[in-house]
Amino acid sequence: DIQMTQSPSSLSASVGDRVTITCRASQSISRYLNWYQQTPGKAPNLLIYATSTLQSGVPSRFSGSGSGTDFTLTISSLQPEDFATYYCQQGYSTPRTFGQGTRLEIK
Amino acid sequence: EVQLLESGGGLVQPGGSLRLSCAASGFAFSSYAMSWLRQAPGKGLEWVSGISGSGGSTYYADSVKGRFTISRDNSKHTLYVQMNSLRAEDTAVYYCAKDVAYGDSLSYGMDVWGQGTTVTVSS
Repeated sequence: DIQMTQSPSSLSASVGDRVTITCRASQSISRYLNWYQQTPGKAPNLLIYATSTLQSGVPSRFSGSGSGTDFTLTISSLQPEDFATYYCQQGYSTPRTFGQGTRLEIK
Repeated sequence: EVQLLESGGGLVQPGGSLRLSCAASGFAFSSYAMSWLRQAPGKGLEWVSGISGSGGSTYYADSVKGRFTISRDNSKHTLYVQMNSLRAEDTAVYYCAKDVAYGDSLSYGMDVWGQGTTVTVSS
């Protein structure tokens, strides 16, 4: 199975900050990398698929990049509604696997 | 509006069985692969199983292989998972999710998720 490792596991930031979350795969996954946002008690919400394609309705302050084994999610200017947990997920092979999550908290 | 609605969760004893259902609406159900995922209390996301649009291909995580069976009834726009030999570590919120890409095969991600149904395995 492909292991996905996110860093950091948690992050404190302020409204307006630029933040970056990284995700590393244990082997090359080409560009088959997705990012999800989850708030407490809610289902995950797809933000970005295929590394850099923004899902419909997702604000343009979110962006993704990378290829092979190393990927990043960037939020250009944090908004109050962005404080949540973020997960990366590889779609290169089954079983689909997720990173352990990055909890983004208000500083 | 695309919607997924899970049902069937509950409290079950270790070794018991449960069948979850996921009613889909608002999209061409048979044209999309579907998945079940779960999230244990306070933990991250785990993909459990997937099925192609036609139902002809199924996929499982090692943690549930041989115990869980995924299926779908395209005439009823419903996805199922039969869970047998349940263990305490199967306790989680279970989500069904629709694949991003149109087509029979399991693609790379999930763009629509249900609200989840809770399964608790305990004596």
